[in-house]
Amino acid sequence: NAGVTQTPKFQVLKTGQSMTLQCAQDMNHNSMYWYRQDPGMGLRLIYYSASEGTTDKGEVPNGYNVSRLNKREFSLRLESAAPSQTSVYFCASSELTGAKNIQYFGAGTRLSVL
Amino acid sequence: RKEVEQDPGPFNVPEGATVAFNCTYSNSASQSFFWYRQDCRKEPKLLMSVYSSGNEDGRFTAQLNRASQYISLLIRDSKLSDSATYLCVVNADMRFGAGTRLTVKP
Repeated sequence: NAGVTQTPKFQVLKTGQSMTLQCAQDMNHNSMYWYRQDPGMGLRLIYYSASEGTTDKGEVPNGYNVSRLNKREFSLRLESAAPSQTSVYFCASSELTGAKNIQYFGAGTRLSVL
Repeated sequence: RKEVEQDPGPFNVPEGATVAFNCTYSNSASQSFFWYRQDCRKEPKLLMSVYSSGNEDGRFTAQLNRASQYISLLIRDSKLSDSATYLCVVNADMRFGAGTRLTVKP
């Protein structure tokens, strides 16, 4: 049972390069999320998708775009990476958004932007 | 004021100790609350939900105080394996606290 799978696990970029972080879940969940985690900051929501075909901004969306490709997949794109985007990125999914939803997380992508 | 605040710790306690963490939130419309556990360099995993009447799961007890807008996590008889960072989550707006780091020492 894979749960939430993120690729790649590690990535090093140069400033200005672009890349897409991939996320897929096999739990038939409706909602998916992208977070970043920086030391001392906890998890901050970048974007989320309450259901297939919808996406909404979270707390820190600037510099990112997302695509909910289908129910299983939710990708995060950095068009022009900046050193401030060095972080650990987690994808999560839940059956629903809002009350009583439990989120399941992928193992994370560790991104360094030089 | 941050929307969800936790004491970052670290809390260093001996095995067998009882330790408690609090998490305050600012959105009074919040309806659901959770505690997650995160081991070093790993993803967060659900520890327990927090119910209005308080709930217990083995050595762990979670409580909600709506009037003062905080949730708490009590760990009894601490084990070495309890060493981790504990994150509170307020789901009205999917906010995570920054986490409280716990180290249980022999």
